[in-house]
Amino acid sequence: EAQVTQNPRYLITVTGKKLTVTCSQNMNHEYMSWYRQDPGLGLRQIYYSMNVEVTDKGDVPEGYKVSRKEKRNFPLILESPSPNQTSLYFCASSLYATRYEQYFGPGTRLTVT
Amino acid sequence: RKEVEQDPGPFNVPEGATVAFNCTYSNSASQSFFWYRQDCRKEPKLLMSVYSSGNEDGRFTAQLNRASQYISLLIRDSKLSDSATYLCVVNPNNNDMRFGAGTRLTVKP
Repeated sequence: EAQVTQNPRYLITVTGKKLTVTCSQNMNHEYMSWYRQDPGLGLRQIYYSMNVEVTDKGDVPEGYKVSRKEKRNFPLILESPSPNQTSLYFCASSLYATRYEQYFGPGTRLTVT
Repeated sequence: RKEVEQDPGPFNVPEGATVAFNCTYSNSASQSFFWYRQDCRKEPKLLMSVYSSGNEDGRFTAQLNRASQYISLLIRDSKLSDSATYLCVVNPNNNDMRFGAGTRLTVKP
């Protein structure tokens, strides 16, 4: 089954404790991205990757890191999480770039206390 | 001004009603436009792309007005299963996407 998977689905952590949210797609897509969704603000792009070893900042990259060492994986790293990073996070992939359909993962609900 | 603006609703309509959502965007160079549907606490899923000539998919019709920089979605004969949040999405370039905050629709029996 073609899909985007994310882990964990739910995470409660404390300020400053490094965490990684994994994202993997099995559709051989070139483009992958991370979004956060907050009430009233819609989805905002954090980082995106056009291909392996190519990543770039989106609208709200501060406090996040990403890497794209393999085509299928695009982990999101929070080196020192803070309460303002409490949000719902979605990973997405598409065949090439954003003019193609984006396939989203199921989401990761992160709470930082 | 937000890059993509939508009426947040909620729109509460009876089954069988016709409902229309509008969305405006600020970047006149935007090239691609979409409507996504998001059920409560779930991931967004593509509902339909929006083409310059307008397009229809069953009960759903999407229109694009480049001169006025707005996109519309019309849902005819609403079903209970249409209850969701509808996200307007605009691509200002090839790399990123701009999402509206979404319009919530509730279809009631």
